[in-house]
Amino acid sequence: ETGVTQTPRHLVMGMTNKKSLKCEQHLGHNAMYWYKQSAKKPLELMFVYNFKEQTENNSVPSRFSPECPNSSHLFLHLHTLQPEDSALYLCASSPLDTYEQYFGPGTRLTVT
Amino acid sequence: GESVGLHLPTLSVQEGDNSIINCAYSNSASDYFIWYKQESGKGPQFIIDIRSNMDKRQGQRVTVLLNKTVKHLSLQIAATQPGDSAVYFCAENNSGGSNYKLTFGKGTLLTVNP
Repeated sequence: ETGVTQTPRHLVMGMTNKKSLKCEQHLGHNAMYWYKQSAKKPLELMFVYNFKEQTENNSVPSRFSPECPNSSHLFLHLHTLQPEDSALYLCASSPLDTYEQYFGPGTRLTVT
Repeated sequence: GESVGLHLPTLSVQEGDNSIINCAYSNSASDYFIWYKQESGKGPQFIIDIRSNMDKRQGQRVTVLLNKTVKHLSLQIAATQPGDSAVYFCAENNSGGSNYKLTFGKGTLLTVNP
């Protein structure tokens, strides 16, 4: 276990649904990240939070809405997604001002 | 285009052999590199890292080599075991702005045959 948990592990949703992904880290880190992992593509950084403040939005469509209520929790709210949004969504955390990121197991999302 | 890539998408080795996974990068300003291992159904797991002021770093059964002249990174796994079967990613730092960001390669699938 890496100290980063994600729920749910699997999610199937229709294009008109609204759902949320949850990430929790038990490592005392102050930076948290959302990544998208699609087949045969590199990990794509979506959002970065430092001390609960969003410091990076990597041109992510507004149908993905992140929320970071505190340094230990990170959410990704999903609405009106497209089938091409189906992917593995990974959460990571790191100590502030370091590159070593610790990943959760991911949520496998399927949009139908 | 991507600044980090991998020479081989798949690698198959016999148990007990040594494995070498290669990675090319294009950003000569990168000064930190990291290797991750991702097993099926799991998130990436840190293996080893190296800074650009080094050309070699060793861990337990793993060695990372950095050749800055040709912008090449490799991960060597000694005495490869079935549990080493996974996708291996290299990543380089991309420290734009105030964030410590990583740029990842596509990954190499390592299969260890018994």
